[in-house]
Amino acid sequence: GAVVSQHPSWVICKSGTSVKIECRSLDFQATTMFWYRQFPKQSLMLMATSNEGSKATYEQGVEKDKFLINHASLTLSTLTVTSAHPEDSSFYICSASASGRPDTQYFGPGTRLTVL
Amino acid sequence: QKEVEQDPGPLSVPEGAIVSLNCTYSNSAFQYFMWYRQYSRKGPELLMYTYSSGNKEDGRFTAQVDKSSKYISLFIRDSQPSDSATYLCAMGDTGFQKLVFGTGTRLLVSP
Repeated sequence: GAVVSQHPSWVICKSGTSVKIECRSLDFQATTMFWYRQFPKQSLMLMATSNEGSKATYEQGVEKDKFLINHASLTLSTLTVTSAHPEDSSFYICSASASGRPDTQYFGPGTRLTVL
Repeated sequence: QKEVEQDPGPLSVPEGAIVSLNCTYSNSAFQYFMWYRQYSRKGPELLMYTYSSGNKEDGRFTAQVDKSSKYISLFIRDSQPSDSATYLCAMGDTGFQKLVFGTGTRLLVSP
């Protein structure tokens, strides 16, 4: 149980285009979903926390107009990187929690984004 | 100073060795301590979860928390090649709205 999927697993796009990443909880309802970014040899950095039906809460330094998060249902959240640039290239990981607590979050497999 | 410090490694050991992985932290409000294992190009999976100080054992894995020293450890006994992965520590405070992660230590166990 507690499976979280992400799609796509990798994506390459041109600079200036937008990319959407989906995160799904397959066998439980996720009250809260978390979006992280992981650069090589660096920590997992929380970008935003989203609760179903509410606006996402963004961490300091994360541009909410650039990283659009939608959590429209209890099993699906999407992250859209708008007008992507090479510096946005990273590994994006989502996680989902049924309780809303970060100690009970299950991680997806991640999405590797490369912006040319 | 980072809130959580973790040696990135890599740490190379032979099969069967005892592995010690560590993190130090600066925020005395941290009460929840976790260890995650992350295989290459995969998401992290929770290995151990400890609240406050003390030890916790699960099979070949033992987690220790020393809050007085702001130091946590993960021990792996009888290490196996399948243990080769990156191990991340993570912590949360009493408000527990989010986890703060270490950079991860890459472990290589050779047959």
